[in-house]
Amino acid sequence: DTAVSQTPKYLVTQMGNDKSIKCEQNLGHDTMYWYKQDSKKFLKIMFSYNNKELIINETVPNRFSPKSPDKAHLNLHINSLELGDSAVYFCASSQDEYQPQHFGDGTRLSIL
Amino acid sequence: KQEVTQIPAALSVPEGENLVLNCSFTDSAIYNLQWFRQDPGKGLTSLLLIQSSQREQTSGRLNASLDKSSGRSTLYIAASQPGDSATYLCAVLDRDNQFYFGTGTSLTVIP
Repeated sequence: DTAVSQTPKYLVTQMGNDKSIKCEQNLGHDTMYWYKQDSKKFLKIMFSYNNKELIINETVPNRFSPKSPDKAHLNLHINSLELGDSAVYFCASSQDEYQPQHFGDGTRLSIL
Repeated sequence: KQEVTQIPAALSVPEGENLVLNCSFTDSAIYNLQWFRQDPGKGLTSLLLIQSSQREQTSGRLNASLDKSSGRSTLYIAASQPGDSATYLCAVLDRDNQFYFGTGTSLTVIP
Protein backbone atom coordinates (compact mmCIF):
# COMPACT_ATOMS: atom_id res chain seq x y z
CA ASP A 1 0.00 0.00 0.00
CA THR A 2 1.23 3.48 -0.88
CA ALA A 3 2.05 5.43 2.27
CA VAL A 4 1.65 8.95 0.86
CA SER A 5 -0.37 9.29 -2.32
CA GLN A 6 -1.01 12.37 -4.42
CA THR A 7 -3.47 12.90 -7.23
CA PRO A 8 -3.24 13.75 -9.99
CA LYS A 9 0.27 12.79 -11.04
CA TYR A 10 0.16 15.27 -13.91
CA LEU A 11 -1.91 18.44 -14.19
CA VAL A 12 -1.93 20.61 -17.29
CA THR A 13 -4.12 23.69 -17.23
CA GLN A 14 -4.41 27.25 -18.44
CA MET A 15 -3.32 30.40 -16.71
CA GLY A 16 -6.02 31.92 -14.52
CA ASN A 17 -7.70 28.64 -13.64
CA ASP A 18 -8.25 27.30 -10.11
CA LYS A 19 -7.05 23.78 -9.36
CA SER A 20 -6.58 21.38 -6.47
CA ILE A 21 -4.09 18.63 -5.71
CA LYS A 22 -5.08 15.93 -3.26
CA CYS A 23 -2.84 14.19 -0.74
CA GLU A 24 -3.59 11.27 1.52
CA GLN A 25 -1.39 9.40 3.98
CA ASN A 26 -2.18 6.08 5.62
CA LEU A 27 0.67 6.15 8.12
CA GLY A 28 -1.29 7.64 10.99
CA HIS A 29 1.01 10.66 11.01
CA ASP A 30 0.01 13.88 12.70
CA THR A 31 1.90 16.32 10.48
CA MET A 32 1.65 16.88 6.74
CA TYR A 33 3.54 19.15 4.37
CA TRP A 34 3.47 20.64 0.91
CA TYR A 35 6.68 21.37 -1.01
CA LYS A 36 7.40 22.98 -4.36
CA GLN A 37 10.32 21.80 -6.49
CA ASP A 38 11.25 24.19 -9.25
CA SER A 39 12.89 23.53 -12.61
CA LYS A 40 16.33 23.72 -11.00
CA LYS A 41 15.30 20.92 -8.62
CA PHE A 42 15.39 23.23 -5.62
CA LEU A 43 12.90 22.07 -2.97
CA LYS A 44 11.12 24.64 -0.84
CA ILE A 45 8.57 24.06 1.87
CA MET A 46 5.22 25.77 1.41
CA PHE A 47 3.19 24.61 4.40
CA SER A 48 3.42 22.33 7.36
CA TYR A 49 0.23 21.40 9.17
CA ASN A 50 -0.96 19.32 12.06
CA ASN A 51 -4.30 19.36 13.77
CA LYS A 52 -3.12 22.20 15.95
CA GLU A 53 -1.11 24.53 13.83
CA LEU A 54 -0.58 25.68 10.27
CA ILE A 55 2.87 27.03 9.53
CA ILE A 56 3.08 28.97 6.31
CA ASN A 57 6.24 29.86 4.47
CA GLU A 58 5.98 33.63 4.23
CA THR A 59 7.06 33.60 0.59
CA VAL A 60 4.05 31.56 -0.52
CA PRO A 61 1.41 33.68 -2.32
CA ASN A 62 -2.03 33.67 -0.71
CA ARG A 63 -3.39 32.14 -3.93
CA PHE A 64 -2.18 28.88 -2.41
CA SER A 65 -4.18 27.44 0.46
CA PRO A 66 -4.06 24.07 2.23
CA LYS A 67 -7.27 22.37 3.27
CA SER A 68 -7.36 19.46 5.69
CA PRO A 69 -10.71 17.64 5.93
CA ASP A 70 -9.15 15.18 8.39
CA LYS A 71 -5.80 14.12 9.78
CA ALA A 72 -5.04 11.83 6.85
CA HIS A 73 -5.59 14.41 4.12
CA LEU A 74 -4.02 17.73 3.19
CA ASN A 75 -5.17 19.11 -0.13
CA LEU A 76 -3.58 22.06 -1.90
CA HIS A 77 -5.83 24.60 -3.58
CA ILE A 78 -4.40 27.08 -6.04
CA ASN A 79 -6.38 30.05 -7.34
CA SER A 80 -5.67 32.13 -10.43
CA LEU A 81 -2.80 29.98 -11.65
CA GLU A 82 0.22 31.79 -13.08
CA LEU A 83 3.00 30.64 -15.38
CA GLY A 84 5.46 30.69 -12.49
CA ASP A 85 3.41 28.09 -10.65
CA SER A 86 4.66 25.42 -13.04
CA ALA A 87 6.65 23.00 -10.90
CA VAL A 88 6.48 19.63 -9.20
CA TYR A 89 4.53 19.73 -5.94
CA PHE A 90 5.27 17.15 -3.28
CA CYS A 91 3.19 16.17 -0.30
CA ALA A 92 4.85 14.60 2.73
CA SER A 93 3.96 13.44 6.22
CA SER A 94 5.69 12.62 9.49
CA GLN A 95 4.69 11.67 13.00
CA ASP A 96 5.72 15.14 14.07
CA GLU A 97 8.09 17.78 12.73
CA TYR A 98 11.03 16.10 14.50
CA GLN A 99 10.59 12.71 12.81
CA PRO A 100 11.56 11.51 9.31
CA GLN A 101 9.25 12.58 6.52
CA HIS A 102 7.64 10.31 3.96
CA PHE A 103 7.05 11.80 0.54
CA GLY A 104 4.53 11.22 -2.21
CA ASP A 105 5.68 10.82 -5.81
CA GLY A 106 4.80 14.39 -6.73
CA THR A 107 2.34 16.20 -8.99
CA ARG A 108 3.79 17.84 -12.08
CA LEU A 109 1.84 21.05 -12.71
CA SER A 110 2.21 22.68 -16.12
CA ILE A 111 0.59 26.03 -16.85
CA LEU A 112 -0.13 26.87 -20.48
CA LYS B 1 17.77 33.27 7.28
CA GLN B 2 19.06 29.71 7.02
CA GLU B 3 20.97 28.75 3.90
CA VAL B 4 21.86 25.16 3.10
CA THR B 5 24.56 24.31 0.59
CA GLN B 6 25.68 20.97 -0.79
CA ILE B 7 29.00 20.25 -2.42
CA PRO B 8 29.68 18.84 -4.91
CA ALA B 9 26.66 19.42 -7.14
CA ALA B 10 27.47 16.24 -9.06
CA LEU B 11 29.69 13.27 -8.39
CA SER B 12 30.59 10.24 -10.47
CA VAL B 13 32.43 7.28 -8.95
CA PRO B 14 33.21 3.69 -9.96
CA GLU B 15 31.31 0.93 -8.24
CA GLY B 16 32.81 -0.17 -4.94
CA GLU B 17 34.27 3.16 -3.94
CA ASN B 18 33.55 4.84 -0.65
CA LEU B 19 32.35 8.41 -0.96
CA VAL B 20 31.41 11.46 1.08
CA LEU B 21 28.72 14.03 0.39
CA ASN B 22 28.83 17.37 2.14
CA CYS B 23 26.13 19.64 3.51
CA SER B 24 26.67 22.98 5.21
CA PHE B 25 24.20 25.33 6.88
CA THR B 26 24.63 28.91 8.05
CA ASP B 27 22.63 28.94 11.29
CA SER B 28 23.56 26.30 13.86
CA ALA B 29 20.29 26.73 15.80
CA ILE B 30 18.58 23.67 14.33
CA TYR B 31 16.39 20.91 15.70
CA ASN B 32 17.59 18.23 13.33
CA LEU B 33 19.11 17.45 9.96
CA GLN B 34 17.87 14.85 7.48
CA TRP B 35 19.45 13.21 4.49
CA PHE B 36 17.18 12.16 1.62
CA ARG B 37 17.60 10.52 -1.75
CA GLN B 38 15.48 11.39 -4.74
CA ASP B 39 15.16 9.13 -7.75
CA PRO B 40 14.09 10.63 -11.09
CA GLY B 41 10.36 11.32 -11.23
CA LYS B 42 9.91 10.26 -7.62
CA GLY B 43 9.50 11.84 -4.23
CA LEU B 44 12.14 11.91 -1.55
CA THR B 45 13.07 8.95 0.60
CA SER B 46 14.35 9.73 4.07
CA LEU B 47 17.69 8.01 4.72
CA LEU B 48 18.86 9.28 8.07
CA LEU B 49 17.74 11.86 10.59
CA ILE B 50 20.14 13.31 13.14
CA GLN B 51 18.74 15.21 16.10
CA SER B 52 20.65 18.32 17.16
CA SER B 53 21.92 16.52 20.27
CA GLN B 54 23.40 13.65 18.22
CA ARG B 55 26.67 13.49 16.35
CA GLU B 56 25.97 10.65 13.93
CA GLN B 57 23.49 8.09 12.68
CA THR B 58 24.12 4.87 10.81
CA SER B 59 21.95 2.74 8.57
CA GLY B 60 23.55 -0.12 6.67
CA ARG B 61 26.23 1.29 4.37
CA LEU B 62 25.28 4.86 5.22
CA ASN B 63 26.70 6.99 7.99
CA ALA B 64 25.73 10.61 8.58
CA SER B 65 27.58 12.92 10.90
CA LEU B 66 26.60 16.29 12.31
CA ASP B 67 28.86 19.04 13.59
CA LYS B 68 26.36 21.68 14.62
CA SER B 69 28.90 24.22 15.81
CA SER B 70 30.60 24.36 12.44
CA GLY B 71 27.36 24.03 10.49
CA ARG B 72 28.32 20.86 8.67
CA SER B 73 27.04 17.39 7.99
CA THR B 74 28.51 14.60 5.90
CA LEU B 75 26.90 11.53 4.39
CA TYR B 76 29.33 8.66 3.99
CA ILE B 77 28.39 5.86 1.61
CA ALA B 78 30.49 2.73 1.83
CA ALA B 79 31.09 0.32 -1.03
CA SER B 80 28.94 2.25 -3.50
CA GLN B 81 26.63 0.36 -5.86
CA PRO B 82 24.92 1.40 -9.11
CA GLY B 83 21.62 1.37 -7.22
CA ASP B 84 22.94 4.23 -5.10
CA SER B 85 22.74 6.52 -8.14
CA ALA B 86 20.29 9.29 -7.27
CA THR B 87 20.18 12.87 -6.06
CA TYR B 88 20.97 13.26 -2.39
CA LEU B 89 19.51 16.16 -0.45
CA CYS B 90 20.06 17.37 3.07
CA ALA B 91 17.49 19.42 4.97
CA VAL B 92 17.54 21.18 8.33
CA LEU B 93 14.63 21.92 10.62
CA ASP B 94 15.31 25.39 11.90
CA ARG B 95 14.33 26.78 15.29
CA ASP B 96 11.52 28.70 13.60
CA ASN B 97 10.05 25.32 12.61
CA GLN B 98 10.87 25.81 8.94
CA PHE B 99 12.55 23.21 6.76
CA TYR B 100 15.40 24.32 4.50
CA PHE B 101 16.71 22.05 1.79
CA GLY B 102 20.08 22.01 0.11
CA THR B 103 20.45 22.08 -3.65
CA GLY B 104 21.39 18.42 -3.80
CA THR B 105 24.28 16.27 -5.03
CA SER B 106 23.63 14.16 -8.10
CA LEU B 107 25.48 10.86 -7.64
CA THR B 108 26.28 8.43 -10.43
CA VAL B 109 27.88 5.10 -9.57
CA ILE B 110 29.44 3.52 -12.65
CA PRO B 111 29.31 -0.28 -12.88
